[in-house]
Amino acid sequence: EAGVTQSPTHLIKTRGQQATLRCSPISGHTSVYWYQQALGLGLQFLLWYDEGEERNRGNFPPRFSGRQFPNYSSELNVNALELEDSALYLCASSFQQGPQYNEQFFGPGTRLTVL
Amino acid sequence: GNSVTQMEGPVTLSEEAFLTINCTYTATGYPSLFWYVQYPGEGLQLLLKATKADDKGSNKGFEATYRKETTSFHLEKGSVQVSDSAVYFCALLKAAGNKLTFGGGTRVLVKP
Repeated sequence: EAGVTQSPTHLIKTRGQQATLRCSPISGHTSVYWYQQALGLGLQFLLWYDEGEERNRGNFPPRFSGRQFPNYSSELNVNALELEDSALYLCASSFQQGPQYNEQFFGPGTRLTVL
Repeated sequence: GNSVTQMEGPVTLSEEAFLTINCTYTATGYPSLFWYVQYPGEGLQLLLKATKADDKGSNKGFEATYRKETTSFHLEKGSVQVSDSAVYFCALLKAAGNKLTFGGGTRVLVKP
């Protein structure tokens, strides 16, 4: 069974540009999560999508946004890039069967570098 | 809010040494607790988990016990290998919001 896939592997942008990161969940998973792993700041929760809706959002400015498509894949968009947006962006997916916990499986990440 | 504190690294060990990584948490109610491992250049892999007090998670020789009274979830392995060199993250999950809260990570380096 294929795991969570992310593209691109690496992305280089300049300050002020927009970046689009993509994630395909494990087949059958309806929830997708985005996390930011910035140097020195650890892993921070960004967004949770389930069944096409944004369910929860971390403490990030509105220029971080995303969406989930009918096939449950997801995009993370970062507008007006700043140098501190340079990080590894990890996507995870899970089943969502009611309010109980469902294990999150992580992809390999997209490394975004802002110059 | 919820938070996770784990010991800072790097932790450098010789092969076959005993490994302990301390993790404590702050949360209301009864979160689920996890250890994730990140090998160089890779994403996160779930190492083990515990969903209620006194549960012991175990995998690949690693163990951790959910201690409600001390709000801790320390990771242990009796005999480490070079291949265990990685960054280890302790995390908690509250069902509402499905948001994993991570500790800062502990880099472990095992030398032959």
